[in-house]
Amino acid sequence: DTAVSQTPKYLVTQMGNDKSIKCEQNLGHDTMYWYKQDSKKFLKIMFSYNNKELIINETVPNRFSPKSPDKAHLNLHINSLELGDSAVYFCASSQVGEETQYFGPGTRLLVL
Amino acid sequence: SQQGEEDPQALSIQEGENATMNCSYKTSINNLQWYRQNSGRGLVHLILIRSNEREKHSGRLRVTLDTSKKSSSLLITASRAADTASYFCATDADNTGKLIFGQGTTLQVKP
Repeated sequence: DTAVSQTPKYLVTQMGNDKSIKCEQNLGHDTMYWYKQDSKKFLKIMFSYNNKELIINETVPNRFSPKSPDKAHLNLHINSLELGDSAVYFCASSQVGEETQYFGPGTRLLVL
Repeated sequence: SQQGEEDPQALSIQEGENATMNCSYKTSINNLQWYRQNSGRGLVHLILIRSNEREKHSGRLRVTLDTSKKSSSLLITASRAADTASYFCATDADNTGKLIFGQGTTLQVKP
């Protein structure tokens, strides 16, 4: 059984479009994260939610809006996509009090 | 930038040899973690070392931490072709889960 899953795996879209990426974890964790990995493999945290509450919000354009309908899901909506948004987006989760994070397989976003 | 640095950026060795990767970071930390990323996959946690620890082992992995030099190293002994991957260090300064990742070392183990 997949612990942290993301959909879609690949996303190719035009500049200016709006798209969403979904993440689900079945580990019973309270905390979920979104990371962005660029073409040089540089990995940076974007957001973190604990039990549906936003706790980390890095310097990310407000075109990016995370939404957590429940503690097992954290979705990422991106408005007005730009070329520079092309990257791999990873969702991760962890349990409160534990430092290890469990990553999803990634969503490869290509903006044309 | 808070980003840590890893060195070397790329490493190519023969199966059976040892691989050593180094990580330097900039701020004080609570713990430092190492993750592996196989090509086209997500990251997998390998090992965590806390700021009050100096060395830790897990199977063929050995991690050291020198907080005075703000550096860590990951040693993989008796490497295998399956160890081919990118390896990232990540620091956690305040136990918020905000991990700051290094740039990664790409390891190739030739059979």
